[in-house]
Amino acid sequence: EDQVTQSPEALRLQEGESSSLNCSYTVSGLRGLFWYRQDPGKGPEFLFTLYSAGEEKEKERLKATLTKKESFLHITAPKPEDSATYLCAVQGGGLTGGGNKLTFGTGTQLKVEL
Amino acid sequence: EAGVVQSPRYKIIEKKQPVAFWCNPISGHNTLYWYRQNLGQGPELLIRYENEEAVDDSQLPKDRFSAERLKGVDSTLKIQPAELGDSAVYLCASSFPWGSRQETQYFGPGTRLLVL
Repeated sequence: EDQVTQSPEALRLQEGESSSLNCSYTVSGLRGLFWYRQDPGKGPEFLFTLYSAGEEKEKERLKATLTKKESFLHITAPKPEDSATYLCAVQGGGLTGGGNKLTFGTGTQLKVEL
Repeated sequence: EAGVVQSPRYKIIEKKQPVAFWCNPISGHNTLYWYRQNLGQGPELLIRYENEEAVDDSQLPKDRFSAERLKGVDSTLKIQPAELGDSAVYLCASSFPWGSRQETQYFGPGTRLLVL
């Protein structure tokens, strides 16, 4: 069974204070690893897809990286508007986790303060 | 381009009452998903449709939950009767089909259900 563990559960940063969020996973045949942002009262908003170890993707102050066991979401010089819950999910390609099923972690709740 | 549309946004009902949620996916997306998200948790898949066919409903509590996707576009998720433990956010998502390499799932805003 696919599993995703995110850490820390919550993170409080000062504006401009860079940090990283961790997503550890076990999956039968990784087909893709996804990062989503979720604001209170809203649905998850897609950020990145990573397909293979060594891959990196960037968007504004966010950079996602992938190894064979974990992914990191690096936040450089965050601003208060980056405050949200960041969700990581894996899509497995194995027989038992096949199809387009996403297995999500519980998220990291990020708060960026002035 | 319009995103995934869901209604209602909020619903409060008494236990044992029925409730239904509606979803309209992104145009061109043949695959539609219903997820349930409990407070402080990530979304969990309830059912996945490829066009009109439910291809993965293993996590759907079939004694009280049902879903349909007539004509392969809009979908409805129903709970009858609702229980206290059904209070959660029900999310709909859509994507291009499995195997298309464009399988990113896009989510709607969700329906927040409170069962009293």
